[in-house]
Amino acid sequence: NAGVTQTPKFRVLKTGQSMTLLCAQDMNHEYMYWYRQDPGMGLRLIHYSVGEGTTAKGEVPDGYNVSRLKKQNFLLGLESAAPSQTSVYFCASRIYTGELFFGEGSRLTVL
Amino acid sequence: EDQVTQSPEALRLQEGESSSLNCSYTVSGLRGLFWYRQDPGKGPEFLFTLYSAGEEKEKERLKATLTKKESFLHITAPKPEDSATYLCAVQAATGANNLFFGTGTRLTVIP
Repeated sequence: NAGVTQTPKFRVLKTGQSMTLLCAQDMNHEYMYWYRQDPGMGLRLIHYSVGEGTTAKGEVPDGYNVSRLKKQNFLLGLESAAPSQTSVYFCASRIYTGELFFGEGSRLTVL
Repeated sequence: EDQVTQSPEALRLQEGESSSLNCSYTVSGLRGLFWYRQDPGKGPEFLFTLYSAGEEKEKERLKATLTKKESFLHITAPKPEDSATYLCAVQAATGANNLFFGTGTRLTVIP
């Protein structure tokens, strides 16, 4: 089982460039999440979705946009990347209740 | 405000030396407390969910316990392969779409 798959795994951007991170899950989960993980800080929620066609803001949504056009996919976009967005990004999914299943992470560096 | 604090930040143990990791939490109504293991360069991997004070769960050398204010992850006779960062997260009854994560305890088990 693939579980939660994130692409790309690594990316280097220049300030002001845009990019999209793709998350795909094959577990038929309703809920999907994007977190960022920074040294010395816990995982922080950026945006989440409770079903196809829905999105909602988390703790740190500024500078990011998301879309959930298909149930299995959740896209995270950076329209104009900033050095403060250098981080490791994790996608996760779950059923209505229960634990989160995480992807392997996408490491983004903004120069 | 919902908050999760983990201690210690880092712990070095000799192989076979048992110890405990602590997760203190403040949440407006606990729906669930989760323990995850994270290996370097990987996404968090689910270990346990605890729902109510007094509950305990075990898996191999790990045992998780829960009180009204904190949770412990007990590691009995650890092995080097238990080396990882252990994350604690809480899900509040309100705002149940999000899990609040602690910063983790980095465990190193020395052969």
